[in-house]
This record gives sequence, C-alpha cells and structure tokens, in this order.
Amino acid sequence: AQKITQTQPGMFVQEKEAVTLDCTYDTSDPSYGLFWYKQPSSGEMIFLIYQGSYDQQNATEGRYSLNFQKARKSANLVISASQLGDSAMYFCAMRDHGSSNTGKLIFGQGTTLQVKP
Amino acid sequence: DVKVTQSSRYLVKRTGEKVFLECVQDMDHENMFWYRQDPGLGLRLIYFSYDVKMKEKGDIPEGYSVSREKKERFSLILESASTNQTSMYLCASSSSGRALNEQFFGPGTRLTVL
Repeated sequence: AQKITQTQPGMFVQEKEAVTLDCTYDTSDPSYGLFWYKQPSSGEMIFLIYQGSYDQQNATEGRYSLNFQKARKSANLVISASQLGDSAMYFCAMRDHGSSNTGKLIFGQGTTLQVKP
Repeated sequence: DVKVTQSSRYLVKRTGEKVFLECVQDMDHENMFWYRQDPGLGLRLIYFSYDVKMKEKGDIPEGYSVSREKKERFSLILESASTNQTSMYLCASSSSGRALNEQFFGPGTRLTVL
C-alpha cells in the first residue's frame, strides 16, 4: 500500500538559515509524483514543488528544492534562507501512476516549521 | 488564477443535524476532492469525483456523502452530524489533462459539532 511518512512533527530554524523537512514514501509503482504543500495559519494549502519519479534532476522553485533520493525513497524539502513568512505547516504528498488522471494524492502527517527571528 | 471557494470558513452545528459543505471551482477542473484534516493525521481523503455525477469513496467515507450535479460544484453532506466529525474540511480540484495535475485548495471550513 502507498504511504507517506513525515517523522518531524515540529521544527525550528533561525531566520536566514536553511532547513530540511523530511519525507519518505512507499510505493510499488515505478511511475509516481511527489508534491510539497505549505499551509500557513490561514489554512489554505499552497502548492510549492513537484518531483516526478523519472525526472533526472532534483526539482527547484526559488528558495525551495527537493532532495530526491529514489533508492532511499525519500523526497526531502530544502528551504534556503528561511524567512519569517515560512512559518507554517508543510505536507508531503504522493500521486501514483494509477491516479494520474484523477489526481488523487496521499498526504503525510505534516511538519510544523517555526522560523525564529 | 485558479480559485476554489468554500461556502463557510467556520460552522457550528448540533449533533444529529444534516450539514452541507459546498465547494465551487472556476477553472473547469474535472477532478474534485474532499478531505478532512486532524492534528497528527494529515489530510485524509473522504470522497472524490472525476466527472459530473461520478464519485468514488476515499479512505474515510463513513458518515459522509457527496453530490456533484454540476462540474464546478462538489458538495459534502453529513447526514447526521456527530461530535467526532468536528474537524477542518478542505476541498480541492485538479485538471486531468496536464502531467503535473497539482491540486488547488479552498480556504477550508472549520466545523464544530456540539
């Protein structure tokens, strides 16, 4: 069965430093996609970054990058130069090939990140 | 800009009441989803729909039903609300025509059942 695991319920980081949020996944499907979402205290989920299982390079979007280690089944989110506005809950999610049309996702438990001034 | 709206940000209902949560998207997306979010459990899929009048159960459908009569609208129904349905409910939509197919979320409805 597919599963997403985020083992860090809460993290602290000093402003301007980099932080890594962990995500491991489990699937037997060779074709899948991995997503990261940010949820500020306002509640709305914001899409951050996507990595396809066949992508040759790690995905990057501005200060966000995804450290994709396929053999270890991990897809950690790296936020560089943290800002106070990065304080939020972060969710890792996976879509497998069987759900490519419906877009159905499986979410992890989430990690709460707090950026200290 | 994709916009997903939900009928209420906060809702308080009594045990046994029938509750309707409405979700509307304006990007002609084929797929729509209802999740509930609880601390430590992440987002869990209740129901999703990939076309008008089509629906499929998610991971936790018990106590819920859905309706999709029009492409842009997806309703979640609590037939007889119970206290264990107190939660944050999130609606999302996605297109089936693109490789990325990321989900776009509404602002959420925080439901309290007394």
